[in-house]
Amino acid sequence: EDQVTQSPEALRLQEGESSSLNCSYTVSGLRGLFWYRQDPGKGPEFLFTLYSAGEEKEKERLKATLTKKESFLHITAPKPEDSATYLCAVQAIKRGSYIPTFGRGTSLIVHP
Amino acid sequence: DVKVTQSSRYLVKRTGEKVFLECVQDMDHENMFWYRQDPGLGLRLIYFSYDVKMKEKGDIPEGYSVSREKKERFSLILESASTNQTSMYLCASSSPRGHQPQHFGDGTRLSIL
Repeated sequence: EDQVTQSPEALRLQEGESSSLNCSYTVSGLRGLFWYRQDPGKGPEFLFTLYSAGEEKEKERLKATLTKKESFLHITAPKPEDSATYLCAVQAIKRGSYIPTFGRGTSLIVHP
Repeated sequence: DVKVTQSSRYLVKRTGEKVFLECVQDMDHENMFWYRQDPGLGLRLIYFSYDVKMKEKGDIPEGYSVSREKKERFSLILESASTNQTSMYLCASSSPRGHQPQHFGDGTRLSIL
């Protein structure tokens, strides 16, 4: 059974204090690892896709990396507007379709 | 930009009612999904569909059914609503090609009284 574990569950940072979020996974036949951002009362918004170990993607203050067992979302010099829940999902083929398995998310609060 | 639209942001219904949640996507995606999201439990897959009139059970299908009569529209049906179905419901769509992310609607917060 595919499993995704995100840590920490919650993270409080001061503005400008860099940190990393972790996503550990076990999956049979990885077909992509995705990071999403979710604001309160809204649906998840896609951030990154990572396909293979060693790959990195960047967007503004966010950088996602991937190994064979885990992914990190590094946040450099965060701002209050980066406050959100960050979700990780791994995708595999199940019942003939690409079906993701989601972690429970990391709730990030950045204080000014 | 992909747009996934859920018909209601907030909905209040009574136990025993039949409830319909509607979702429409504008990107001609073959795959569509229904999730519920509860604090501490994350996103759980209820049903998905990979083509018109095709459906597959997800991890928690009990008490729910779905309908996909047109490619762009995927409906979730609560046959007889119960209080334990109070939740945030999220619809998503995706391309069937590999490595493609899902695109989500903004959710329907459903309360069953």
